[in-house]
Amino acid sequence: GQQVMQIPQYQHVQEGEDFTTYCNSSTTLSNIQWYKQRPGGHPVFLIQLVKSGEVKKQKRLTFQFGEAKKNSSLHITATQTTDVGTYFCAGGYNNNDMRFGAGTRLTVKP
Amino acid sequence: DAGVIQSPRHEVTEMGQEVTLRCKPISGHNSLFWYRQTMMRGLELLIYFNNNVPIDDSGMPEDRFSAKMPNASFSTLKIQPSEPRDSAVYFCASTWTGAGETQYFGPGTRLLVL
Repeated sequence: GQQVMQIPQYQHVQEGEDFTTYCNSSTTLSNIQWYKQRPGGHPVFLIQLVKSGEVKKQKRLTFQFGEAKKNSSLHITATQTTDVGTYFCAGGYNNNDMRFGAGTRLTVKP
Repeated sequence: DAGVIQSPRHEVTEMGQEVTLRCKPISGHNSLFWYRQTMMRGLELLIYFNNNVPIDDSGMPEDRFSAKMPNASFSTLKIQPSEPRDSAVYFCASTWTGAGETQYFGPGTRLLVL
């Protein structure tokens, strides 16, 4: 069935270090979305990627969609304490289904 | 726009009691989703509605869970009888068009079943 795997489950970094989380789908995606959930909060939409090989940037965040539209990554450059939270990818499929990854919980040590 | 509204924000109940969670989606959205989030299982899709019709309820854990959407502006998730393992944060999210679109989450209901 359609599922999205996300790794790592946890990542602890020193402030200023980079961070990357990866998502992989068993089948081709129509799009992929990324969400951020702050501790105690709710998931908030960050961005959507649709095109094969697409790369989008939001300040220190870089989002990539693989050429085969089966994988994606979120990279944060020079993490800050405000980046703390859980980052989820959500893969959209052609049958209008969407599946969330398990999330990567990021902690940042000042 | 007020965003997705959920009530109550916190609920503490005893095992065996009925629990009803409520959600008001963003006006104009025609799809509504119920999720459950726990440390062990992460974010799980329970059920989603499109134009008030349940489309996929394969994530509903068992018969103790039921969801309704009587109109475009209101949905309920009911647990009867509740059990301690139902303790979790329950999120409602809404969007337009369908499941592949950006989802707007409510603040969640934190449920604790003693």
